Amino acid sequence: DVKVTQSSRYLVKRTGEKVFLECVQDMDHENMFWYRQDPGLGLRLIYFSYDVKMKEKGDIPEGYSVSREKKERFSLILESASTNQTSMYLCASSLSEGLPVGYQHFGDGTRLSIL
Amino acid sequence: DAKTTQPNSMESNEEEPVHLPCNHSTISGTDYIHWYRQLPSQGPEYVIHGLTSNVNNRMASLAIAEDRKSSTLILHRATLRDAAVYYCILTGDDKIIFGKGTRLHILP
Repeated sequence: DVKVTQSSRYLVKRTGEKVFLECVQDMDHENMFWYRQDPGLGLRLIYFSYDVKMKEKGDIPEGYSVSREKKERFSLILESASTNQTSMYLCASSLSEGLPVGYQHFGDGTRLSIL
Repeated sequence: DAKTTQPNSMESNEEEPVHLPCNHSTISGTDYIHWYRQLPSQGPEYVIHGLTSNVNNRMASLAIAEDRKSSTLILHRATLRDAAVYYCILTGDDKIIFGKGTRLHILP
């Protein structure tokens, strides 16, 4: 069965800390995405990557960076965590070809709390 | 960016059909219509997609208006496990934009 795995379901960090959220997919997908989900706002795209070492800004990249050193792994980095980054973070992946545009596999999310 | 409009919430009785509407009046000719759903404590999962013609799969049916400015997701026989937030999304490239979705409540 295909799988997108996020390293933690729950995470608590302090303001100012550098935070790493990890995502691994076992489907050999080229594309990977990071979203955050907040009540009343739906899912918003933070960053995405079409290939190893490539990254593109999504709709809300401020305060975040990403790293894609290997095809299967996409990391989201909060450089200096702030309380307004408390949220549910979702990772997704997709193929570049062979499946319809927009067909993404999601992980189960990391609920991050910044104190 | 193309936008979709969905009701905030809907209710349905168990074992009855459910019709979830979505308006997308600004759809472009190459946009696909995708539906995802999100069960509690899980990430979104793909339900169905279409371009111009109606589509059926094991989970649901998708009815697309002739002008493509609206579509309807049809769950033929709702169960309690179908209670979720349903997202209607337009996709023209690999970047997809989620709206707020419709929270579907199933009454036993």
